[in-house]
Amino acid sequence: ETGVTQTPRHLVMGMTNKKSLKCEQHLGHNAMYWYKQSAKKPLELMFVYSLEERVENNSVPSRFSPECPNSSHLFLHLHTLQPEDSALYLCASSLRTGVGEQYFGPGTRLTVT
Amino acid sequence: KNEVEQSPQNLTAQEGEFITINCSYSVGISALHWLQQHPGGGIVSLFMLSSGKKKHGRLIATINIQEKHSSLHITASHPRDSAVYICAALYNTDKLIFGTGTRLQVFP
Repeated sequence: ETGVTQTPRHLVMGMTNKKSLKCEQHLGHNAMYWYKQSAKKPLELMFVYSLEERVENNSVPSRFSPECPNSSHLFLHLHTLQPEDSALYLCASSLRTGVGEQYFGPGTRLTVT
Repeated sequence: KNEVEQSPQNLTAQEGEFITINCSYSVGISALHWLQQHPGGGIVSLFMLSSGKKKHGRLIATINIQEKHSSLHITASHPRDSAVYICAALYNTDKLIFGTGTRLQVFP
């Protein structure tokens, strides 16, 4: 039990669908992150939130839209995705940005058909 | 350019062997992370270090700031150690750059 949960664990969606990924942390952390892990590629940072404010957006296409309503919850809204967006999407949290270890959720395996 | 390179990419070992995984990075990091990823995707943070050496059970992580190099060692390896081990360097204040990972398989 890492203290960071993600739902759903698996998601299959068509290119015209709209879906959302959810991340929740119960660790009292103030920083949350979205990462993308494609096959045979390193983890890529997508978004960083600190105290519910976005502090990093790593040139991610607008079809990915993050939302952080409070320091415990993080969403990634998906719309009009492409097949190349199929990947494992991981959420993580840390005490503050750049401080302490990052605790990862189990990930959502996304397949875009 | 901020980079992290790991070696080897793949590693197989017999149970009981001593394992070393290497990571090199460019200048300007504030910390170095070692992570473990099991099949299915879940990632566990093993170590975060900025100098010296840390030990947890059979795992040891070292970092040499001058040489910009870190190693992860596993003593008395066991099949349950089979996983992908990822090195990640923390640049600036919040930007983690990840290596491509080392896939370790330990056979009984």
